Amino acid sequence: AQSVTQLDSQVPVFEEAPVELRCNYSSSVSVYLFWYVQYPNQGLQLLLKYLSGSTLVKGINGFEAEFNKSQTSFHLRKPSVHISDTAEYFCAVSEGNEKLTFGTGTRLTIIP
Amino acid sequence: DTAVSQTPKYLVTQMGNDKSIKCEQNLGHDTMYWYKQDSKKFLKIMFSYNNKELIINETVPNRFSPKSPDKAHLNLHINSLELGDSAVYFCASSHGDTSNQPQHFGDGTRLSIL
Repeated sequence: AQSVTQLDSQVPVFEEAPVELRCNYSSSVSVYLFWYVQYPNQGLQLLLKYLSGSTLVKGINGFEAEFNKSQTSFHLRKPSVHISDTAEYFCAVSEGNEKLTFGTGTRLTIIP
Repeated sequence: DTAVSQTPKYLVTQMGNDKSIKCEQNLGHDTMYWYKQDSKKFLKIMFSYNNKELIINETVPNRFSPKSPDKAHLNLHINSLELGDSAVYFCASSHGDTSNQPQHFGDGTRLSIL
């Protein structure tokens, strides 16, 4: 069965500093991986997705993530964060015809 | 021009009541979902419909009954509300019935049980 682990529940980062949000998954088959962002009092928005091909995927708002099959990871990165990046970030995994399973989320707080 | 819209945005009611949440999408998607997000932000799927047919039904009390009158609508009816039902409920939609398609979410319905 698929599962997702986001080890960091909260990540504080100074404005303009780089950030990495960690995501590890568990699955016995090939997976599709996603990062979603949730701003306060809103629904989730897709940041980026990995389906196949290049392991480095670029998303919206300057975010990117790298799929690492050997480490079963899909960490999210941004080289320089902005105040507007303050939000909850969710990693999610699916095994094709299965449902989407979300991690527990990481709250990213940008410090001015 | 909202893509996935839910009503109401807030719902405050007493234990034991019956309530409904409505969801509509204008994206032309054929799959719709209901998720529950608890106070710790944990997001869990409840139901999924593809072209009005139920395809995912997680372990959800049968007090929760989804209804899809057409593929653009997926409503959620909850009977005999309990304190533990307090949460934010999100509707979402996507193309097709395979989960390699990104899902588009509504802004949520915050349900508070008194």
